[in-house]
Amino acid sequence: EPEVTQTPSHQVTQMGQEVILRCVPISNHLYFYWYRQILGQKVEFLVSFYNNEISEKSEIFDDQFSVERPDGSNFTLKIRSTKLEDSAMYFCASSDGERNSPLHFGNGTRLTVT
Amino acid sequence: AQKITQTQPGMFVQEKEAVTLDCTYDTSDPSYGLFWYKQPSSGEMIFLIYQGSYDQQNATEGRYSLNFQKARKSANLVISASQLGDSAMYFCAMREVGNRDDKIIFGKGTRLHILP
Repeated sequence: EPEVTQTPSHQVTQMGQEVILRCVPISNHLYFYWYRQILGQKVEFLVSFYNNEISEKSEIFDDQFSVERPDGSNFTLKIRSTKLEDSAMYFCASSDGERNSPLHFGNGTRLTVT
Repeated sequence: AQKITQTQPGMFVQEKEAVTLDCTYDTSDPSYGLFWYKQPSSGEMIFLIYQGSYDQQNATEGRYSLNFQKARKSANLVISASQLGDSAMYFCAMREVGNRDDKIIFGKGTRLHILP
């Protein structure tokens, strides 16, 4: 069964550094998402992406965040200058956009900012 | 205002018993979808079951069923014959189809512990 893959599984970075989290969505999916989960808490929506542009973004997704689909397969989340509070699990997800289709999630990247 | 409410932060259930995880939602959109995801301790998000707002029958997937009560705006997950491997965090989620975007939003989750 096709799956969403995320790399790396764990990223440790120093405060103020830039990080790029990478995702390969399911190949025939058209909608892509990033979600964040601070340890033990709810899964929070960050951004959705369709047709090579952002569809919607949440209040969390400020100017420090950006997304890109640099080629036909990768979907990246960049955090320009990381803060301690950016430490979380970041999930990439994709969907074919059908009403009854779930979002398929990757296994996540655990980001630790020190 | 919260759109998805899961009132049970944690539950303990004896193995082989059935368990119901509560979820209520709030939307003015007549067309929406409801999802349940399981998150084991390993962290991945596993899709379990879907219910559409116009679906006439309650969704079922193996041991999972969704008790959909539209007038009450509730979509409780029922797990029959619980197993030790069902111990996990469970999230209820909703997609409002009428919105321009296609995101789903999650409740805060219920941590389920199955006791041997």
